[in-house]
Amino acid sequence: NAGVTQTPKFQVLKTGQSMTLQCAQDMNHNSMYWYRQDPGMGLRLIYYSASEGTTDKGEVPNGYNVSRLNKREFSLRLESAAPSQTSVYFCASSEFSWGDTEAFFGQGTRLTVV
Amino acid sequence: GENVEQHPSTLSVQEGDSAVIKCTYSDSASNYFPWYKQELGKRPQLIIDIRSNVGEKKDQRIAVTLNKTAKHFSLHITETQPEDSAVYFCAASKNSGGYQKVTFGTGTKLQVIP
Repeated sequence: NAGVTQTPKFQVLKTGQSMTLQCAQDMNHNSMYWYRQDPGMGLRLIYYSASEGTTDKGEVPNGYNVSRLNKREFSLRLESAAPSQTSVYFCASSEFSWGDTEAFFGQGTRLTVV
Repeated sequence: GENVEQHPSTLSVQEGDSAVIKCTYSDSASNYFPWYKQELGKRPQLIIDIRSNVGEKKDQRIAVTLNKTAKHFSLHITETQPEDSAVYFCAASKNSGGYQKVTFGTGTKLQVIP
């Protein structure tokens, strides 16, 4: 049972380049999330998808877009990368609303924008 | 919105001693409080959680207490071991528009000295 799988694990981008971070879960979870983790700032929610077909902005959505491709997959896209988007990105999923059920995290993607 | 403050940011203890990490939250509507452990380079994992209708919960060497009046909750680790060394995050969650919104603290780096 793989749980939550993110790709890639590491990525270096030049300012202005675009990329998509992929996330897939095999736990049949309804809800999925994207977080970024920066030193001294904890985990901040970028976007979430409460269920298949829905997406909503979190705390720091600017510069990002998401797609809930199907129940398993939730991708995060950076259209024009900026150095401020250098961070570690985590995808997570939960069976129902987080708080009613436990959320599980992927292993993270370390992104550097130069 | 919700604001979660976590202290201390770093904590060093001798093996076998106890460690206490404290968090405060601002929104009295928060009703679910999970704690996550993140080992170096790994994903955050849930170690214990507590709901607002409970004052204390214990799981072996780990316990969490909640004071709803003061809006404080704390993580207590007894008989610390080197494998407890990690970053610990608290979080507070509340229902927002039919969905649980989770806000993380900034993390505590715990070092257990053998």
